Amino acid sequence: QVQLQVSGPELVRSLETLSLTCVVSGYPISSGYYWGWIRQSPGRGPEWLGTIYHRGTTFYNPSLKSRVTISADTSKNQLSLKMTFMTAADTAIYYCARDGYTYDSSGYHYFIDLWGQGTLVTVSS
Amino acid sequence: SSELTQPPSVSVSPGQTARITCSGDASPKKYTYWYQQKSGQAPVLIIYEDIKRPSGIPGRFSGSTSGTVATLIISGAQEDDEAQYYCYSTDGTGYHRVFGGGTRLTVL
Repeated sequence: QVQLQVSGPELVRSLETLSLTCVVSGYPISSGYYWGWIRQSPGRGPEWLGTIYHRGTTFYNPSLKSRVTISADTSKNQLSLKMTFMTAADTAIYYCARDGYTYDSSGYHYFIDLWGQGTLVTVSS
Repeated sequence: SSELTQPPSVSVSPGQTARITCSGDASPKKYTYWYQQKSGQAPVLIIYEDIKRPSGIPGRFSGSTSGTVATLIISGAQEDDEAQYYCYSTDGTGYHRVFGGGTRLTVL
C-alpha cells in the first residue's frame, strides 16, 4: 500500500521560504510515476503547484513558477517542495500527491490518483 | 493556461438527480476528472476520463461531456453525497494540471 507522508513547519513567517518533505512508502519513486504538490487554501478549491518525474523533469503552475521548486531524492524515496516569499495568501493545506495515468490513441492522460494526508501551513506576519 | 468554471452551489432533494457542470477552454480538449471532498478529508476520485467510474464508486455517479462542458451526474442523490465536488483537467499541453473552483452539493 503506497502512502505519502508530509512533514515540515506548521508556521512560517511572512517573506520566508517554506520547505516541505514528502516521504513515499510502499513504492520506489525511481520506478516511475509523476509526483507532485497541491495546496488548498481555507474554503477554496485545490491548486496544483507542480509535478516531478522521477528522472527530474518538472512542470510548474505558471502563476507560481518563479517561487516554487520541486525536487526528488530517490535514495531517500522522498519529494521536496520549496516556496519562497511566503505571504498570508499562501496559508493552506499542502498535499503531496501521485499522478495516475492512462494511455489511449490521443496519448497519456494524467490525474491525481493518490493523495497524502496534507499538512496545514500558516503564514504569520 | 486553461481555466475550469463550476457553479458555486447546487441543491437537490433526496432521491433527485443532481447535475454539476464544468466549463473548460483547453485546446485541444482534454479529459475531465471529478473529485469528491468531504470536510477534513483529501479529495477522492469519482469519475475519470469524462465518463468512467473507478472501482468502489457507487453507480449513481456518472459523467458526460458535450463540447467544452463536462457534467457530473448524481442519480438519486443521498444525504451522504453532500460534499464539495471539483473537476480537474490538464491544459492543451497535457502537462499543466488545473482544478475547477468547486461546487457545494446540498441534499435536503
